[in-house]
Amino acid sequence: TQLLEQSPQFLSIQEGENLTVYCNSSSVFSSLQWYRQEPGEGPVLLVTVVTGGEVKKLKRLTFQFGDARKDSSLHITAAQPGDTGLYLCAGNTNAGKSTFGDGTTLTVKP
Amino acid sequence: KAGVTQTPRYLIKTRGQQVTLSCSPISGHRSVSWYQQTPGQGLQFLFEYFSETQRNKGNFPGRFSGRQFSNSRSEMNVSTLELGDSALYLCASSLTAGQPQHFGDGTRLSIL
Repeated sequence: TQLLEQSPQFLSIQEGENLTVYCNSSSVFSSLQWYRQEPGEGPVLLVTVVTGGEVKKLKRLTFQFGDARKDSSLHITAAQPGDTGLYLCAGNTNAGKSTFGDGTTLTVKP
Repeated sequence: KAGVTQTPRYLIKTRGQQVTLSCSPISGHRSVSWYQQTPGQGLQFLFEYFSETQRNKGNFPGRFSGRQFSNSRSEMNVSTLELGDSALYLCASSLTAGQPQHFGDGTRLSIL
């Protein structure tokens, strides 16, 4: 069973601060995805990373896939209140199974 | 392009009853995955269907079952409901199997 550990579990910061969320596993994944979920809604896919060492940017969000494809990070620059939400990572295997982390609840205060 | 549609949005049942939830994927998507989300357990994988065939199944009891129709719409059934089945049930559709992409807003199931 693949386990994905996300840290921190909760994060509360002021608008304008930077933050990093981590997603770690002892298993190798063929790809990894990051989602953001807001209350009352389903998760929304932010990015999919496939290649070890890959870095993708989405405006103020930077996603990195570890060289060994076992871990990933999400860095947000100059966080805004609109970034508030539950951030989830999900690892996918070649066998076609997806495992989700428990999520990081981010609160950005104005 | 219409997104993933789940019905109903909210459902209240009592212990012992059974329930059927529906998921209509994005047009052209043949993969539908189902997840249970609870505060304590996070997102737990239930099963995935691709072209009417169950491809993968999570570690849930046999009370949880599903199916997919030829138009890719999927249903999930839970029989003999227990209090612990209270959760948000999410489905996700994608073009390819094994990689959930687009989630619906879920069905909030409450068991009394």
